[in-house]
Amino acid sequence: SQQGEEDPQALSIQEGENATMNCSYKTSINNLQWYRQNSGRGLVHLILIRSNEREKHSGRLRVTLDTSKKSSSLLITASRAADTASYFCATAGANSKLTFGKGITLSVRP
Amino acid sequence: GAGVSQSPSNKVTEKGKDVELRCDPISGHTALYWYRQSLGQGLEFLIYFQGNSAPDKSGLPSDRFSAERTGGSVSTLTIQRTQQEDSAVYLCASSYSSGGPPPPTNTQYFGPGTRLTVL
Repeated sequence: SQQGEEDPQALSIQEGENATMNCSYKTSINNLQWYRQNSGRGLVHLILIRSNEREKHSGRLRVTLDTSKKSSSLLITASRAADTASYFCATAGANSKLTFGKGITLSVRP
Repeated sequence: GAGVSQSPSNKVTEKGKDVELRCDPISGHTALYWYRQSLGQGLEFLIYFQGNSAPDKSGLPSDRFSAERTGGSVSTLTIQRTQQEDSAVYLCASSYSSGGPPPPTNTQYFGPGTRLTVL
């Protein structure tokens, strides 16, 4: 079963705008990760946030984690057409297994 | 350095035939994972290896699916008597994991996948 549920399922924005994607989960986690997938092939790791962290930055990416609400958000600032992809959140429990959500399709219009 | 590689990149087979998919993880990565992704769907976990053993094979959809890993490196996923619903992209990932208490991070590095089409 899938633990992470992303929201919205699809997002279309204009280049230069910010994109915010949300993820909710059900059980306690060790960390939460965001991945990106282009063209239905391999996923690329973007950022990891541990359960004792609340916010993390990496370049144009900002991720937040609220363990009390069991939710996370990924913000991409100043979006570019090249950011067009599917984005997945994945939760890690006590073992090494990651549980992925169904993903969000982001389209950035030039 | 080299990333995770998978072969073949594409496989078209007839219903009822057996197929073998191969994954070469990043050197030194002890953990290896297989996922399946159907068209427009998220990733479905299949099996997880720590070294050569599989502590979690809960995601294998039926006894037609099996996987092995030898030498703590290469893994093969075998699907016997393929069915049309087996058509999907099969993704492999590896990560460094001590196998003991939860590692500080368990970032997974994915291969490009094998697109399987069962006619």
